[in-house]
Amino acid sequence: LAKTTQPISMDSYEGQEVNITCSHNNIATNDYITWYQQFPSQGPRFIIQGYKTKVTNEVASLFIPADRKSSTLSLPRVSLSDTAVYYCLVGPYSSASKIIFGSGTRLSIRP
Amino acid sequence: ETGVTQTPRHLVMGMTNKKSLKCEQHLGHNAMYWYKQSAKKPLELMFVYNFKEQTENNSVPSRFSPECPNSSHLFLHLPTLQPEDSALYLCASSQETGKGNSPLHFGNGTRLTVT
Repeated sequence: LAKTTQPISMDSYEGQEVNITCSHNNIATNDYITWYQQFPSQGPRFIIQGYKTKVTNEVASLFIPADRKSSTLSLPRVSLSDTAVYYCLVGPYSSASKIIFGSGTRLSIRP
Repeated sequence: ETGVTQTPRHLVMGMTNKKSLKCEQHLGHNAMYWYKQSAKKPLELMFVYNFKEQTENNSVPSRFSPECPNSSHLFLHLPTLQPEDSALYLCASSQETGKGNSPLHFGNGTRLTVT
């Protein structure tokens, strides 16, 4: 199982760009990298997914270097409502038990 | 509206009440999941159903009884419980297991408190 490591917490200010890096040194060939956002007392919400290089959607960008041993979630111009826990997951969707939710990164945005 | 609806949102029950958690997805997905999230702990996968068939049971105690009558509905029956079962129970769905990049869509959970 590909284990992920990400910072326990991060702080930033409104309007800033926030980059959260996740390392996954033993990622397998058929593993995808997926990020979720979770607010208190709610289920995680899918943000973005990628396999290699760069992926961008209306919410975030995901940067994946060529060796795929890490990935960076980039949130442009954060607001207070981006305060949440962000999870980096690595795994094949062929088996949910191979996709492990870690402790995530608790992001706090200040005015 | 997440596309995955869980009821009830909150449930307080004794150890021997019989209750059920319900999940319904409106996304046309074929795989459904139960996760447990205890305070200050990561999400734990409990069960996986694919096309109504249980494909994974992550060593869950037998006092938890899942049911998946069709691809849109998932239940978790709770005949007897322990205080340590108090947690947020999350239901999720995806297109189907076995597809390379089918992300999970979660409901907002049922907050269960066992007294």
